[in-house]
Amino acid sequence: DVKVTQSSRYLVKRTGEKVFLECVQDMDHENMFWYRQDPGLGLRLIYFSYDVKMKEKGDIPEGYSVSREKKERFSLILESASTNQTSMYLCASSPSVGGRGTQYFGPGTRLLVL
Amino acid sequence: EDQVTQSPEALRLQEGESSSLNCSYTVSGLRGLFWYRQDPGKGPEFLFTLYSAGEEKEKERLKATLTKKESFLHITAPKPEDSATYLCAVHLPPSASKIIFGSGTRLSIRP
Repeated sequence: DVKVTQSSRYLVKRTGEKVFLECVQDMDHENMFWYRQDPGLGLRLIYFSYDVKMKEKGDIPEGYSVSREKKERFSLILESASTNQTSMYLCASSPSVGGRGTQYFGPGTRLLVL
Repeated sequence: EDQVTQSPEALRLQEGESSSLNCSYTVSGLRGLFWYRQDPGKGPEFLFTLYSAGEEKEKERLKATLTKKESFLHITAPKPEDSATYLCAVHLPPSASKIIFGSGTRLSIRP
């Protein structure tokens, strides 16, 4: 079974803090993703990584950065947290098998920024 | 513009009452269509991937079908534990990141 784990289930941070969310997958997948999910807005892609040290901006990258130093680990960084970044953050991974990659999700991190 | 629409937004059924959820899409090219189940406060759980029109997949009380314009998730004799939000997503060329999610259907099964 594919397993995607996220470092925290719940986080409470103060405005202006630097926040690190970590994601680890154990299936040797090339692709990893960070989404945020908000009521009424669905899942929105923040960043995507298709290989170690390779990344692409998604639909809403502003205020975020990412790091992928090892294949199994993909980190999302909120450089200076703001209240509008309160959300559910979801990490996913997928294989690159002929371009037909089903995404597998982690349990999510619910972040509250005060 | 590429778009994925799920209907209905919410569906309440009695236990044992079969029904279908719809995912319609208008996209330029389709690499795959995914169905997920999401429980409150948790990440989406993968259910099915469909790749071509006419394809069907089954798992327990769920069956997913695909046509050129839409997919259905049929739920047969549902139980209260089937209550969840069901998400549909389409994977478009050219890259792995080109995935569009629908807004989901909230399914509630009353005992």
